[in-house]
Amino acid sequence: GNSVTQMEGPVTLSEEAFLTINCTYTATGYPSLFWYVQYPGEGLQLLLKATKADDKGSNKGFEATYRKETTSFHLEKGSVQVSDSAVYFCALSDPGSGGGADGLTFGKGTHLIIQP
Amino acid sequence: ETGVTQTPRHLVMGMTNKKSLKCEQHLGHNAMYWYKQSAKKPLELMFVYSLEERVENNSVPSRFSPECPNSSHLFLHLHTLQPEDSALYLCASSQETGGIVNSPLHFGNGTRLTVT
Repeated sequence: GNSVTQMEGPVTLSEEAFLTINCTYTATGYPSLFWYVQYPGEGLQLLLKATKADDKGSNKGFEATYRKETTSFHLEKGSVQVSDSAVYFCALSDPGSGGGADGLTFGKGTHLIIQP
Repeated sequence: ETGVTQTPRHLVMGMTNKKSLKCEQHLGHNAMYWYKQSAKKPLELMFVYSLEERVENNSVPSRFSPECPNSSHLFLHLHTLQPEDSALYLCASSQETGGIVNSPLHFGNGTRLTVT
């Protein structure tokens, strides 16, 4: 079956620090990969995505590269801000797993805390 | 107007109550989902509707009953819940074609449910 593993939090950093949140996956097919962000009191918002190997998704200074050889999709940002404090979810969509609108498989989420 | 709207935002109910959660999407999508978000656990996919037909039911207890009267509305009817059902219930929508999700999931802000 499909699964997503991401680093446990909370991750606490100082403002302007470099951020990496690791994500690895297992999938039966050739998945699309996503990072979602959840701010306090809100639902999940799509942050970025990549649909094939070596694609780089980017948004709001965040980047992640689809690495098929290492089955990874690590999230990075060069200089974090207090406003980046949130929970980040890595997810995959695998059309090869049997078809149908079966939603996404999510990791457990990583709580990121940025201190001023 | 947000793309996916959920009501109510907060709900407290006793174990013998009957209540319903409502979700409405204004994105023209043809697939809708219910997810359960509990602390320290991955998001759990509960139900999927595609073109108003239920296509996924992930072994959810019968005390949860979904209803999708049209492609824009999704309900989750609740009865005789247990305290462990307390969680954030998230609705999402996407565009699906031929069994493949073509667009990322768009989430509502969720309903925070507390069962006493």
